[in-house]
Amino acid sequence: DTGVSQDPRHKITKRGQNVTFRCDPISEHNRLYWYRQTLGQGPEFLTYFQNEAQLEKSRLLSDRFSAERPKGSFSTLEIQRTEQGDSAMYLCASSLALAVADTQYFGPGTRLTVL
Amino acid sequence: AQSVSQHNHHVILSEAASLELGCNYSYGGTVNLFWYVQYPGQHLQLLLKYFSGDPLVKGIKGFEAEFIKSKFSFNLRKPSVQWSDTAEYFCAVSPTDSWGKLQFGAGTQVVVTP
Repeated sequence: DTGVSQDPRHKITKRGQNVTFRCDPISEHNRLYWYRQTLGQGPEFLTYFQNEAQLEKSRLLSDRFSAERPKGSFSTLEIQRTEQGDSAMYLCASSLALAVADTQYFGPGTRLTVL
Repeated sequence: AQSVSQHNHHVILSEAASLELGCNYSYGGTVNLFWYVQYPGQHLQLLLKYFSGDPLVKGIKGFEAEFIKSKFSFNLRKPSVQWSDTAEYFCAVSPTDSWGKLQFGAGTQVVVTP
């Protein structure tokens, strides 16, 4: 059983650098989500894809953030000109959209530390 | 604005004690409800979910939750906890008229002592 995978698991970078994270969803899942989690908080929604189309972006996602899902399979999240406030756990989740139910399965996350 | 509130941030209890974690949400329409658990060093895992039907839902590892629509609540319960239940528990809500975006509570850290 292959779940959602994320790479890298940890990333330490200096302020002002660009970083890119990758998410591989569960095979055949057509929806893919990115969330951000900071210490002591629950995950907060960032953006969502249905197949390759990015359908919604949170106001949390500044212009420095961009996400893609080019072939409707894996996704990347890029943060340009990182700031210390970007330090967080970045979570990816995927689901198979059905008429009623949409259950999201989460990956292990990428922990970003901006020095 | 939609919100999810978890009543306790930290809970400490002994093995075999009963556990109840509160979750309330504010949203005027119909919602899907979830409890996720994050064990130390592991990723978020689905504990149980409610979409429709019987408001008492059973999940993995002996957990259950009851949806009380009039109270906008979805409380999690376990009659007798084990040390292995030490984890952080998150309540999450998704409006049925949306495409599935989850709104999470802040989480409750549960520590079970031997």
